[in-house]
Amino acid sequence: ILNVEQSPQSLHVQEGDSTNFTCSFPSSNFYALHWYRWETAKSPEALFVMTLNGDEKKKGRISATLNTKEGYSYLYIKGSQPEDSATYLCVNAGNNRKLIWGLGTSLAVNP
Amino acid sequence: EPEVTQTPSHQVTQMGQEVILRCVPISNHLYFYWYRQILGQKVEFLVSFYNNEISEKSEIFDDQFSVERPDGSNFTLKIRSTKLEDSAMYFCASRAGSSAAYNEQFFGPGTRLTVL
Repeated sequence: ILNVEQSPQSLHVQEGDSTNFTCSFPSSNFYALHWYRWETAKSPEALFVMTLNGDEKKKGRISATLNTKEGYSYLYIKGSQPEDSATYLCVNAGNNRKLIWGLGTSLAVNP
Repeated sequence: EPEVTQTPSHQVTQMGQEVILRCVPISNHLYFYWYRQILGQKVEFLVSFYNNEISEKSEIFDDQFSVERPDGSNFTLKIRSTKLEDSAMYFCASRAGSSAAYNEQFFGPGTRLTVL
């Protein structure tokens, strides 16, 4: 079972604040972890695919780290903007063709 | 930029009716997926499709569901006799490449199915 837990479930921050949230997953038989960003009324959009322990990836103000030994990944947003408001989904990809999704962290950035 | 499209955006149907949800994946992609999300719940995998056949399906994908790629561009999900519990947002996704875990999936905007 590739179950994924995300925390917190929701988060409200002020514009300019930096924030982070967590994804935890079983550390055994790890293959890859995906982060997706899902804005209301749009489709999920891939942010990162992470595969190696110690991976750190960055896209603009958003970055993510991966610890496969302890089974967690952090997503960081530096200087949050209102357009960052979305649900951030962590997805465990096993060595087959389906993805196991977390419930997501819903981020609201107040201007 | 290429994108996955889905039609209709919202489908309302009576219980017991057949529905067909349509998707046009990105043109050079080889792997196709359907997911659904019941309101307030996790996104759930339904089925994956490659080389004109189902490669994997979940327990949800029972005999009432079928998928087809009739003409090389469309990828459809059919529900033969809809139930109330089929009401959900249905997402189609596609990806290129052969390494399932490493390649991101590209999602369509979803079809909201409401069964009355």
